[in-house]
Amino acid sequence: QLQLQESGPGLVKPSGTLSLTCTVSGGSMSSSDWWTWVRLTPGKGLEWIGQVFPRGTTDYNPSLRTRVSMSVNHSKNQISLTLTSVTAADTAVYYCARTFMEPTGNNWSDTWGQGTLVTVSS
Amino acid sequence: DIQMTQSPSSLSASVGDRVTITCRASETISDHLNWYQVKPGRAPKLLIYGASFLHSGAPSRFSGSASGTDFTLTINSLLPDDFATYYCQQTFSGNSFGQGTKLEIK
Repeated sequence: QLQLQESGPGLVKPSGTLSLTCTVSGGSMSSSDWWTWVRLTPGKGLEWIGQVFPRGTTDYNPSLRTRVSMSVNHSKNQISLTLTSVTAADTAVYYCARTFMEPTGNNWSDTWGQGTLVTVSS
Repeated sequence: DIQMTQSPSSLSASVGDRVTITCRASETISDHLNWYQVKPGRAPKLLIYGASFLHSGAPSRFSGSASGTDFTLTINSLLPDDFATYYCQQTFSGNSFGQGTKLEIK
């Protein structure tokens, strides 16, 4: 059964860069799998950060687009997330998820990691 | 941007109760609506996709329905494990979540 595990620093300084890795185990990363990052904050609930498609195409939340990047490393079974110029508002639990995309465009995330808490503070 | 208005924001219920949670889209989203269960420290779970299709890993007491731009998640015969926060998600235009509904034990 496919399992996802997020990892990275739990504390990032304001104006710094948040870098997280999602490691996939229990199976291989299909070339048709899409990968999504979502975060959970106490005040705003779940927020979609973006998706990285097969072959590396990306789609980001417009509100984060200027600060976020994602990539897939198939040889390492990893997906990465980078968020620059962070502030306290970026403090959240960050999740990665495998996402299935229908030809109609509907998509849903059927496998998630447990999430990792990232705090932005000096 | 499509706005998803989820209600109620919180709900108290007892084991064995039937509860409903609603999401209203600000414009048509066809059936591009999913429901998730979120618990602290746990991986979120997909319950319903495509507005009404039960995910293979979700119990049959969960169901979803749609009427125009209104979408409903129903949980029949609540079990202790069901007390959590629930979110709807639209994927018709961009990708966004409702504000969440915290289901608590009465």
